[in-house]
Amino acid sequence: AQSVTQLGSHVSVSEGALVLLRCNYSSSVPPYLFWYVQYPNQGLQLLLKYTSAATLVKGINGFEAEFKKSETSFHLTKPSAHMSDAAEYFCAVSDDNDMRFGAGTRLTVKP
Amino acid sequence: ETGVTQTPRHLVMGMTNKKSLKCEQHLGHNAMYWYKQSAKKPLELMFVYSLEERVENNSVPSRFSPECPNSSHLFLHLHTLQPEDSALYLCASSQVGGGDYNEQFFGPGTRLTVL
Repeated sequence: AQSVTQLGSHVSVSEGALVLLRCNYSSSVPPYLFWYVQYPNQGLQLLLKYTSAATLVKGINGFEAEFKKSETSFHLTKPSAHMSDAAEYFCAVSDDNDMRFGAGTRLTVKP
Repeated sequence: ETGVTQTPRHLVMGMTNKKSLKCEQHLGHNAMYWYKQSAKKPLELMFVYSLEERVENNSVPSRFSPECPNSSHLFLHLHTLQPEDSALYLCASSQVGGGDYNEQFFGPGTRLTVL
């Protein structure tokens, strides 16, 4: 069965600092991997997805993620945090039939 | 309307009330989902409908009753709820099979408060 683990339920960074949100996956087949963002009282919005093309995936709002098969990881990064990045971030793994979400990481950005 | 819409956005109900949540997707997808999101808890998958047939319900209490009359509409009927059922209820849709990666598109959610 496939699953994802997000390390750190809460990450705090200063404005302008690097953002790194960690995600490790477990899958018996080549995975499709996703990062979603959720702002308060809203639904989940897709940030980016890995579908076995390029291992470095660029998404919206300056975020990117790198698929590393040897580490079973798909960490999300952004070089410089902005106040508007404060939100909850979910990693997810999917095959053709099922999608599983991580527990989420809440990102706080300090001025 | 585009994407996935949900109504109402906010709902307050008593434990003896009966209410329904509505979800509509305008993406031509063949699968729809209900999730429950409570504070400080992971997303909980409640129900999955694929090609209008329920394929998963994850042992959800019977006070939650889903209905999927067609591939574009999904309802969640609520009756005799408990205060612990207060949460954000999210609807999502996707295209399963056909190599579309099962990417799910979410609605904005209904914030439910049970008094």
